Amino acid sequence: AQSVTQPDIHITVSEGASLELRCNYSYGATPYLFWYVQSPGQGLQLLLKYFSGDTLVQGIKGFEAEFKRSQSSFNLRKPSVHWSDAAEYFCAVALGGDDKIIFGKGTRLHILP
Amino acid sequence: AAGVIQSPRHLIKEKRETATLKCYPIPRHDTVYWYQQGPGQDPQFLISFYEKMQSDKGSIPDRFSAQQFSDYHSELNMSSLELGDSALYFCASSLGTGLGELYGYTFGSGTRLTVV
Repeated sequence: AQSVTQPDIHITVSEGASLELRCNYSYGATPYLFWYVQSPGQGLQLLLKYFSGDTLVQGIKGFEAEFKRSQSSFNLRKPSVHWSDAAEYFCAVALGGDDKIIFGKGTRLHILP
Repeated sequence: AAGVIQSPRHLIKEKRETATLKCYPIPRHDTVYWYQQGPGQDPQFLISFYEKMQSDKGSIPDRFSAQQFSDYHSELNMSSLELGDSALYFCASSLGTGLGELYGYTFGSGTRLTVV
């Protein structure tokens, strides 16, 4: 069965520092890959998605993610975080266009002033 | 741009009561997905519909049922509510063609259900 692993439950970085959130997936073929962000008590906002093509994907809010087939990874990065980036980040996969999305357990990002 | 509309935003029910959550997808989206997110948990897939037919089923309790109507809106009916049903319930919609960039989920803001 397909699965998504986010190895870091919590990550703390200083404001202005760079960020990388890890995501690994387990599936025979390349799935559709997503990163969502969720502020406390709020909905899920799509940051970026990967279907095919260029393995470096640009998203909103200055985020990017790189798909690495050899490592089955889709890590999220941001060169300089802002205090407003503090939130829960979910990596997610889907098998195909009509398939359900499966979420990872999430990584809670804390920002130090 | 139009988004996925969920109603109500908040709902408080007592144990053993019934609740109905509604989801209005983005215009022209024909696929609806329901998710449940417990406190501190990741969203869990419940059920999905494509063209008014159930297309997939996840960890949805037998006490829950859902359907998609002719206008593509969907309703999640929850009966005999339990304290453990307290959660954020999300609906998402997509265009069920799987055509690359045309594909994409858009989530609603969710309905927060509290069972007391």
